[in-house]
Amino acid sequence: EVVMMQSPATLSVSPGERATLSCRASQSVYINLAWYQQKPGQAPRLLIYGASTRATGIPARFSGSGSGTEFTLTISALQSEDFAIYYCQQYNYWPPRTFGQGTKVEIK
Amino acid sequence: EVQLLESGGGLVQPGGSLRLSCAASGFTFSIYAMTWVRQTPGKGLEWVSGISGSGGRTYYADSVKGRFTISRDNSKNTLYLQMNSLRADDTALYYCARDGLDSLGSWYAAGDYWGQGTLVTVSS
Repeated sequence: EVVMMQSPATLSVSPGERATLSCRASQSVYINLAWYQQKPGQAPRLLIYGASTRATGIPARFSGSGSGTEFTLTISALQSEDFAIYYCQQYNYWPPRTFGQGTKVEIK
Repeated sequence: EVQLLESGGGLVQPGGSLRLSCAASGFTFSIYAMTWVRQTPGKGLEWVSGISGSGGRTYYADSVKGRFTISRDNSKNTLYLQMNSLRADDTALYYCARDGLDSLGSWYAAGDYWGQGTLVTVSS
């Protein structure tokens, strides 16, 4: 099973600042990686797939990069609605598809 | 508009059974692979099971293999998860999700649409 590790666990950022979230895979998953956003009481929302392709309707301030074992989600200028928990998920080696433990982006 | 609506959750005793349903609308259900993902406060998001569009291929996490069965009825646009021999650690919010299809017609195994979830509690 591919283990996904996200860092940091919590990121404190001021509105308008850039946020950089990391995700590391225990073995190469090439670019078969997705990022999700989850707000309290809501289902996860797909932001990025293929490591860098924004899903339908996702604002351009969200960008994904990386390949192999190291991935990054960048939010260029945080807006109030972006404070949430973010998860990465690999889908290169499955079953099972595996998720990271999440990074909570909170208001500084 | 794509919609996924789960139902069937509830309180069940250890060793009991439950069948979850996920009613889909707003897209051609029969061509999309579907998955079940569960979430607990302690373990985060956990992929549970997946099924191909035709229903001919099914996949399971080791933690549920032999106890859970995924299926679908494409004539009813509905996905199912039959859960038997339930344990306390199966307690979670269960989501159904649709696998994605990109603009070039390639599938990707990430959920592009999710339901709102149905809560399963296993307790005596």
